[in-house]
Amino acid sequence: QKEVEQDPGPLSVPEGAIVSLNCTYSNSAFQYFMWYRQYSRKGPELLMYTYSSGNKEDGRFTAQVDKSSKYISLFIRDSQPSDSATYLCAMRGGGNKLVFGAGTILRVKS
Amino acid sequence: GAGVSQSPSNKVTEKGKDVELRCDPISGHTALYWYRQRLGQGLEFLIYFQGNSAPDKSGLPSDRFSAERTGESVSTLTIQRTQQEDSAVYLCASSLGYRGGNYGYTFGSGTRLTVV
Repeated sequence: QKEVEQDPGPLSVPEGAIVSLNCTYSNSAFQYFMWYRQYSRKGPELLMYTYSSGNKEDGRFTAQVDKSSKYISLFIRDSQPSDSATYLCAMRGGGNKLVFGAGTILRVKS
Repeated sequence: GAGVSQSPSNKVTEKGKDVELRCDPISGHTALYWYRQRLGQGLEFLIYFQGNSAPDKSGLPSDRFSAERTGESVSTLTIQRTQQEDSAVYLCASSLGYRGGNYGYTFGSGTRLTVV
């Protein structure tokens, strides 16, 4: 079993839809949670960063962490074609090394 | 520099040849990481450098893989006697490490390695 599980998709939605992306994990030591966005032939870029449980909002993006369920989510409101990318969840414990999910391919159709 | 720079951006090599990939991290970032991303798959950790500490090599898949870093600057990842299964995008990232509260990485655009 992988430490971090993420549905690879692809997830296809119409423009303006609310998108929900999720990851589950098995290591209870994880306490820092991140979402990265990766466009084709580019490196991943940090989108959201959350420490421990709770919600964090940044514009159209909301990150949620439920440590009791070992489940994290990223919500994208009013999705745009420019949001089409691969979204990777990542997490770590006390050290610096991040463990990544496999990534979910998102396609927003105009 | 302003971002993490990787070179070359693309590399095609013959099976059995050695290749060297270079990463130039963001100035002041003490931590540097190498990951491998195979087509359609997530990021696979290879090696991690933190300042002058001994590197964490736990992700290197075989003894054909090695990496070096000079102080807190450039790093090179070397793959000896390349095999077709080494074909992937090799991503380098850097971060503030223990100096910063946000330990998110900044990635380079990667080196796309194709072994033929």
